[in-house]
Amino acid sequence: DTGVSQNPRHKITKRGQNVTFRCDPISEHNRLYWYRQTLGQGPEFLTYFQNEAQLEKSRLLSDRFSAERPKGSFSTLEIQRTEQGDSAMYLCASSLNRVLQETQYFGPGTRLLVL
Amino acid sequence: QQPVQSPQAVILREGEDAVINCSSSKALYSVHWYRQKHGEAPVFLMILLKGGEQKGHDKISASFNEKKQQSSLYLTASQLSYSGTYFCGTYMNTGNQFYFGTGTSLTVIP
Repeated sequence: DTGVSQNPRHKITKRGQNVTFRCDPISEHNRLYWYRQTLGQGPEFLTYFQNEAQLEKSRLLSDRFSAERPKGSFSTLEIQRTEQGDSAMYLCASSLNRVLQETQYFGPGTRLLVL
Repeated sequence: QQPVQSPQAVILREGEDAVINCSSSKALYSVHWYRQKHGEAPVFLMILLKGGEQKGHDKISASFNEKKQQSSLYLTASQLSYSGTYFCGTYMNTGNQFYFGTGTSLTVIP
C-alpha cells in the first residue's frame, strides 16, 4: 500500500499526559499537512511542511502542540499536557508541490480521546 | 475566510439528482471537492482551476463560475455509495493554508 499511513489509529489518554502521532506520507510527496477534525465539522488546518521545513502554523496550534518532519519524510505531531478539548480526529495529508494544482491525499487519521 | 456551502444537508432517493454549492466572498485560486464518509478520511473528487471551467467523471461533475467565487458539485442519478459529507476546499492567497468549506451532508436512501 503506497498511500498515506498514520499511527496509532486510536489513542485514549488521561488529561495532562503527552501524546505523539506519526504520519508517513506518499513517498514522492514533498508537502505534508496536519489537520484537526471534531465531530460534525470539517477539517481545520493546523500546519504544513515542505520537505523538512515547517512553513506555516495555524493560530489553532497552541504552544502545547509541536510538529516535526526531521528528514522530510515522516512527520510527528506531539501534544503536551493534553486537555479534554484536544479530543478530535487528527488527519495527515500529503501532496506533490505543483502550483495551484495540489491535490492532497489523506491518511486514515488518528482518533484521540482525552479523559 | 472559510467557504460557505449550501445546503447543509440533503436526503435523496436513489436515482435522484443533487447540487451542492460552495461560495466565497473573494475570488479563489482553485476549488477542490472532497467526500468524507463517516469515520473515514476525506477522499479527493476533483479540482477546478479556471473561471468558467466544468469537469466531471461518471455521474459527478462540477463547475467554477467566471468570477471564481462559486463552485457547484452535481451528482446525477445518485447511488447509495454517494452518501457522505461533501466539502469544497481552497488554498488562500498565500498558497499555504488550506480551508475546507462548511460541509454538506448527503444521504441517499433506497
